[in-house]
Amino acid sequence: DQQVKQNSPSLSVQEGRISILNCDYTNSMFDYFLWYKKYPAEGPTFLISISSIKDKNEDGRFTVFLNKSAKHLSLHIVPSQPGDSAVYFCAAKGAGFMEYGNKLVFGAGTILRVKS
Amino acid sequence: DAGVIQSPRHEVTEMGQEVTLRCKPISGHNSLFWYRQTMMRGLELLIYFNNNVPIDDSGMPEDRFSAKMPNASFSTLKIQPSEPRDSAVYFCASSLGQDRVGYGYTFGSGTRLTVV
Repeated sequence: DQQVKQNSPSLSVQEGRISILNCDYTNSMFDYFLWYKKYPAEGPTFLISISSIKDKNEDGRFTVFLNKSAKHLSLHIVPSQPGDSAVYFCAAKGAGFMEYGNKLVFGAGTILRVKS
Repeated sequence: DAGVIQSPRHEVTEMGQEVTLRCKPISGHNSLFWYRQTMMRGLELLIYFNNNVPIDDSGMPEDRFSAKMPNASFSTLKIQPSEPRDSAVYFCASSLGQDRVGYGYTFGSGTRLTVV
């Protein structure tokens, strides 16, 4: 039972356009969400995060939107660049350290290809 | 800081052999995580430690898998006996416990395991 789902295995976008990566979750106890980016032969690296008390967080070209009622978050990349081509993982952390610790639950990832 | 260091980077072994993967977390980080990446399930948490103590090993596939953290600077993941279905990329990550800042984890570069 996957608690964090990324239903699009891959996405192809033209350079300069917007990339939108989506993520759905099922556990209402998740209170912190993160996006990681992974290049081939490297480990994932942190990209951007959002607390459940917010609905938007922006960092340069990257913006994460959170819709708690729909249990849905998305990552927008504007404008997309060829160097953004990578695997993007959505991750979530549960509220309450005693119950959930500080472990992250990851989705299966979405492969983004930005064409020049 | 050299980051999270994993060894070996690649491991090819025959079915039935014992495999040991190693991880050195970032100095000062008190949480350590072992993840496995597969095409079907993305990043799966196998086990994590807080202050060298195993907290949650519910993701360990079966008794063939074991993990230890004898001190704050070293952890091993052992598979004995290995099977072809264990072939995957294994990641180690570390973080500050109860980190709420949003940096999440720092991942190592992974060990690509192939069991033939």
